[in-house]
Amino acid sequence: DSGVTQTPKHLITATGQRVTLRCSPRSGDLSVYWYQQSLDQGLQFLIQYYNGEERAKGNILERFSAQQFPDLHSELNLSSLELGDSALYFCASSASWGGQETQYFGPGTRLLVL
Amino acid sequence: DQQVKQNSPSLSVQEGRISILNCDYTNSMFDYFLWYKKYPAEGPTFLISISSIKDKNEDGRFTVFLNKSAKHLSLHIVPSQPGDSAVYFCAASALADKLIFGTGTRLQVFP
Repeated sequence: DSGVTQTPKHLITATGQRVTLRCSPRSGDLSVYWYQQSLDQGLQFLIQYYNGEERAKGNILERFSAQQFPDLHSELNLSSLELGDSALYFCASSASWGGQETQYFGPGTRLLVL
Repeated sequence: DQQVKQNSPSLSVQEGRISILNCDYTNSMFDYFLWYKKYPAEGPTFLISISSIKDKNEDGRFTVFLNKSAKHLSLHIVPSQPGDSAVYFCAASALADKLIFGTGTRLQVFP
């Protein structure tokens, strides 16, 4: 158990809809990262927050947005969903920021868009 | 543009033998490299890392080798055990920036 929790575990929705994925970091971790893993793809970095502020941005679509709240949990909002958004979405946390910080991953949310 | 490449999608090794997983990268600015292991229905877990100032790092049965001139790193698992069966991702970062992950190699260790 990494200490990172993600809800829900599974999500099935229809095209055009909007969903929210939730992540609670490990106790004491200030950074939260979001990744997308599509079929046969590696983990694609989406966005990072550090202590409530956006720290780094990856290949995140404009239809996607995220935020980190004062209690450090984070939410990833996906809107106008398309079939291609079906993927595993992972959240990770680390104590601080930077590529040399060990990131601890949650179990992921599997999103299926029909 | 795939900056971190794992060209072998799968690898099958007999228990007790050595497993060698390979990773190539294109960005010469990468200065930190990591390996993560992922079991089904779980998130990736950190395994081992290496800084670009080193060419080898060892942790028990796991050793990571870095060849900067070839822009290549490898993970050696000796001896391989059935519990090592998982997907292994290599990842790299440059100047404390975000992590870039490879596509993963599925390792199967059979008895």
